Amino acid sequence: GAVVSQHPSWVICKSGTSVKIECRSLDFQATTMFWYRQFPKQSLMLMATSNEGSKATYEQGVEKDKFLINHASLTLSTLTVTSAHPEDSSFYICSAPDLGGFVSVGYTFGSGTRLTVV
Amino acid sequence: DAKTTQPPSMDCAEGRAANLPCNHSTISGNEYVYWYRQIHSQGPQYIIHGLKNNETNEMASLIITEDRKSSTLILPHATLRDTAVYYCIVPIGGATNKLIFGTGTLLAVQP
Repeated sequence: GAVVSQHPSWVICKSGTSVKIECRSLDFQATTMFWYRQFPKQSLMLMATSNEGSKATYEQGVEKDKFLINHASLTLSTLTVTSAHPEDSSFYICSAPDLGGFVSVGYTFGSGTRLTVV
Repeated sequence: DAKTTQPPSMDCAEGRAANLPCNHSTISGNEYVYWYRQIHSQGPQYIIHGLKNNETNEMASLIITEDRKSSTLILPHATLRDTAVYYCIVPIGGATNKLIFGTGTLLAVQP
């Protein structure tokens, strides 16, 4: 089945630095990628939607200048957390709809990135 | 946009069937119901989805009521590895078909 490879699986960074998270669709073309954040004991919260070749769409309350999203190709989307602070520590997950985004097929999720800002 | 309601938690004995309910009373005629589960500290895993008819795959069965206002996910023989948070989701329509997660049901399979 469709696979989304997410790296790194975990990262520790110093406050004020930037961290890049990559998600690659391995055996299908992901024209759309969804980025989620999950705090402990909470559900996944949608942060933004990236579309290949165009600007990302951010959900209300998500700072686009802090969470930079790039979707440069049909198989790669990246999320960069800029000037990270301890409150940005969270579990970040990407997801792509299979087969070009038709609603009738499943969505594949990455394995997640555990970000800890110290 | 259809919203879903699930019980926060359920217990199930190992080897028995686990029946997880979901209400989606505002679902529209062309919206699918998806089920995912998330095991601790992992990305969500697709289980099954359906529109009107009942569906079955190697993981589970999905029973959708005739009026489509509710559905039940059935794990026929639950194992300890099925302990997870189960999410029932109706994607938001339009060009992006976003998956918005609710709080889900924490299924605890007991030995």
